[in-house]
Amino acid sequence: EAGVAQSPRYKIIEKRQSVAFWCNPISGHATLYWYQQILGQGPKLLIQFQNNGVVDDSQLPKDRFSAERLKGVDSTLKIQPAKLEDSAVYLCASSFPQAGNTIYFGEGSWLTVV
Amino acid sequence: AQSVTQLDSHVSVSEGTPVLLRCNYSSSYSPSLFWYVQHPNKGLQLLLKYTSAATLVKGINGFEAEFKKSETSFHLTKPSAHMSDAAEYFCVVSVGPSGGYNKLIFGAGTRLAVHP
Repeated sequence: EAGVAQSPRYKIIEKRQSVAFWCNPISGHATLYWYQQILGQGPKLLIQFQNNGVVDDSQLPKDRFSAERLKGVDSTLKIQPAKLEDSAVYLCASSFPQAGNTIYFGEGSWLTVV
Repeated sequence: AQSVTQLDSHVSVSEGTPVLLRCNYSSSYSPSLFWYVQHPNKGLQLLLKYTSAATLVKGINGFEAEFKKSETSFHLTKPSAHMSDAAEYFCVVSVGPSGGYNKLIFGAGTRLAVHP
């Protein structure tokens, strides 16, 4: 079974530039998550989708971050304009929707803002 | 409110000695609990999970964890550490009522170092 796919794996941009990350979840998983993991910290949920609807985006900095999952399958996370503090690993994950189901993570997209 | 506290930010053991990584949780519902491992420059891999079945849960690579409701704990153990166990370990609680949305709350992580 194919895992959660993410691209690009690594990205270096200058502050105020924009960047986009793509995620393709495990087939059949209705729930898709984007997490931000800053070095030395645990992952923090940015946004959670159920099919193509947003379940939770309470910690998404909406002035600069946006995410979409238009067809309920793959998803894109965008940052514009980027700040130095956005340097982090962006983890995409997916699962079946009910609480207690295993959540599977991709290998992450590593962003460095200089 | 749901939360997870990992009691040690760093643990250092010698190869071949036991490993204990401590985790306490707080949850309004009967929790589902997980341990994930993250090796350097890698994604998160599930070690084991508890979902209200047996309180002693066995995972991959010889790890196991015991759910203790009275102590609100879910400590991770391994009888004998291997060099390849050196990594960051996250205790995670899945929040939401039965049938509700699947959402994870992560602890801050414990970095395990294994010395020869």
